Amino acid sequence: QKEVEQNSGPLSVPEGAIASLNCTYSDRGSQSFFWYRQYSGKSPELIMSIYSNGDKEDGRFTAQLNKASQYVSLLIRDSQPSDSATYLCAVNRAGGTSYGKLTFGQGTILTVHP
Amino acid sequence: GAVVSQHPSWVICKSGTSVKIECRSLDFQATTMFWYRQFPKQSLMLMATSNEGSKATYEQGVEKDKFLINHASLTLSTLTVTSAHPEDSSFYICSARDYRFASVDVGQKQFFGPGTRLTVL
Repeated sequence: QKEVEQNSGPLSVPEGAIASLNCTYSDRGSQSFFWYRQYSGKSPELIMSIYSNGDKEDGRFTAQLNKASQYVSLLIRDSQPSDSATYLCAVNRAGGTSYGKLTFGQGTILTVHP
Repeated sequence: GAVVSQHPSWVICKSGTSVKIECRSLDFQATTMFWYRQFPKQSLMLMATSNEGSKATYEQGVEKDKFLINHASLTLSTLTVTSAHPEDSSFYICSARDYRFASVDVGQKQFFGPGTRLTVL
């Protein structure tokens, strides 16, 4: 079982729709969860972080965390063609020598078509 | 926001040569920097954690004698790929943790450099 799993996609949604991206993780001790956006040939860009169960909203983005189910998701409302990218879920490992280390999922390719 | 730079942005070298990649935090101090590698159509894989003033810690399967890391100051970490071979061709990305603020939320974030694309012929 991979430590962080995402559907690789591609996920295709029409412009203006809601894109829903999902991620599960295996380490129950994980404390922090991040969503990064990566355009082709570029490095990842942080778009959301979440630490507590529930929802966190920032503009068109909403992150949802359910630690009991070991599940984190990202909703993108009013999707735009410029949102087309690979979305990486990352989990901050638990404490000890692993503290601060991020484990990334394989990424979900999102395509927003006009 | 926190800015991390990398140099060079791309490099092409012959097999057997060594390549040095620099990672700098431009407007904050980073006691810890991380080095990742990303092969085409794959995710980021952590290679090593670079700690200022001490030896780097490497992830399982990463050869420490091949990927030399030096973190001599609070704003600079270098990765040297020694005796590079075509299979080392990849996108190398560094990140730095920002400890400027007391907030756990900001402190746990990592800011990524723009990456260095290495091609070994």
